[in-house]
Amino acid sequence: GQNIDQPTEMTATEGAIVQINCTYQTSGFNGLFWYQQHAGEAPTFLSYNVLDGLEEKGRFSSFLSRSKGYSYLLLKELQMKDSASYLCAVREIGSQGNLIFGKGTKLSVKP
Amino acid sequence: EAGVAQSPRYKIIEKRQSVAFWCNPISGHATLYWYQQILGQGPKLLIQFQNNGVVDDSQLPKDRFSAERLKGVDSTLKIQPAKLEDSAVYLCASRTLGGGTGELFFGEGSRLTVL
Repeated sequence: GQNIDQPTEMTATEGAIVQINCTYQTSGFNGLFWYQQHAGEAPTFLSYNVLDGLEEKGRFSSFLSRSKGYSYLLLKELQMKDSASYLCAVREIGSQGNLIFGKGTKLSVKP
Repeated sequence: EAGVAQSPRYKIIEKRQSVAFWCNPISGHATLYWYQQILGQGPKLLIQFQNNGVVDDSQLPKDRFSAERLKGVDSTLKIQPAKLEDSAVYLCASRTLGGGTGELFFGEGSRLTVL
């Protein structure tokens, strides 16, 4: 079975750094994805990790530890437009590419 | 490159009525997914197609939900009869086969309200 946990809500200040954690349990790990979803819009792809370590892409970075079943998404230099839900999703071996999503973390960025 | 197109964007029906949603994936994407996203939750897979064949429909409530992808391109998802708990956003996603990260590309979704 699968279980993906992430905080329900977080609040941060414009210009600051925020870290959104995700823990998972799967029967056969084959990649972890982070998506951003603004209210009423489609989820959009942010990052992908399949090996341990940090992947950096501009203001966003994502980290993975497969042995701990743990990932985080790091957002730097927060902007108001970063207010959104952040979805952690896991792909399992043999899943034909299907992603299993956590419930999402709603991030509010305040001035 | 055009994204995943879905229609209608919004639909309000009464319980026991029927509804259909349409999806046109990104050109050339062989794999198509329908997800259900209830308010405050992450998307949950309903059905997955590869070309015009069903790969996974284990979580599709088959007594009321059906989906097809007849020519391996567009897809429709139907609910009949609808229940109150079907109120959700129905997201269509597609991806290409092989190569890259295998990320899914999502449409904007069809928001269903069942009264």
